[in-house]
Amino acid sequence: RKEVEQDPGPFNVPEGATVAFNCTYSNSASQSFFWYRQDCRKEPKLLMSVYSSGNEDGRFTAQLNRASQYISLLIRDSKLSDSATYLCAVNGRAENYGGSQGNLIFGKGTKLSVKP
Amino acid sequence: DVKVTQSSRYLVKRTGEKVFLECVQDMDHENMFWYRQDPGLGLRLIYFSYDVKMKEKGDIPEGYSVSREKKERFSLILESASTNQTSMYLCASSLRAVGSGTDTQYFGPGTRLTVL
Repeated sequence: RKEVEQDPGPFNVPEGATVAFNCTYSNSASQSFFWYRQDCRKEPKLLMSVYSSGNEDGRFTAQLNRASQYISLLIRDSKLSDSATYLCAVNGRAENYGGSQGNLIFGKGTKLSVKP
Repeated sequence: DVKVTQSSRYLVKRTGEKVFLECVQDMDHENMFWYRQDPGLGLRLIYFSYDVKMKEKGDIPEGYSVSREKKERFSLILESASTNQTSMYLCASSLRAVGSGTDTQYFGPGTRLTVL
C-alpha cells in the first residue's frame, strides 16, 4: 500500500454539485492531516487542517476516519472557482526521515473541474 | 501571513551548469523543505532541514545538495545540472511541532527550471 493515495480524477461536475474526495494513508500512527489546493502552475496552498472530530469551513467539510485510515473532503454547492487540484497530506514516519516529525507525505492530487 | 519566497520563478540552464535555488521564509520557522513536482509523480521530497546547519535526505536526494547557514534561508544546489532535473521546484517551511504531530507547511511560489 502506498503511503498516501488519492483518486487522480478528473472529477468533472456541474456548478452547484456536491463532490467528495477521499485520501487513504498507510501509517496508522499519523497524527496530522491536511487538505491543500493547487491551481494550475501555482504552489499548493493550505485549504484546511483535518481534526479528529471533523471540521467545516463554509462549503468545505473535512473528516478523518482513523479506523479505516482515510480522510475526506466534501465540497458543497461547487463554484467554477473551485476548479483546481486537491492534495491531501499526512505526516510521515519519523524513522524514515532521520527521526524528524516534521515531514508531510502528499498524495498526487485529485483534479476537480467545475463546469457551468 | 507566512511568506516564503524563492529567488526565481523561471530559470533556464545548460547541462553541466551549477544551479543555485534560494528560498527565504520570514516566519522564524525551524523546518524547511525542498520538493520537486512533476506531472504524474506528485510532490517528491528532495531534502529538508529542521535547524540551522542541519539537513536530512528526503526521498530523492541524488544529484542535489543543500545549505542552511541561516534560519530563514535554505538553498538547493544542483552541482551539475542534467536534463532529467527539469522540473518545478517548491520550497516550504513549517514550525517545529510539539508532540508527535506535524505543523502545516507553507509553500513558496516555485521555480520552474529547464535544463537544456
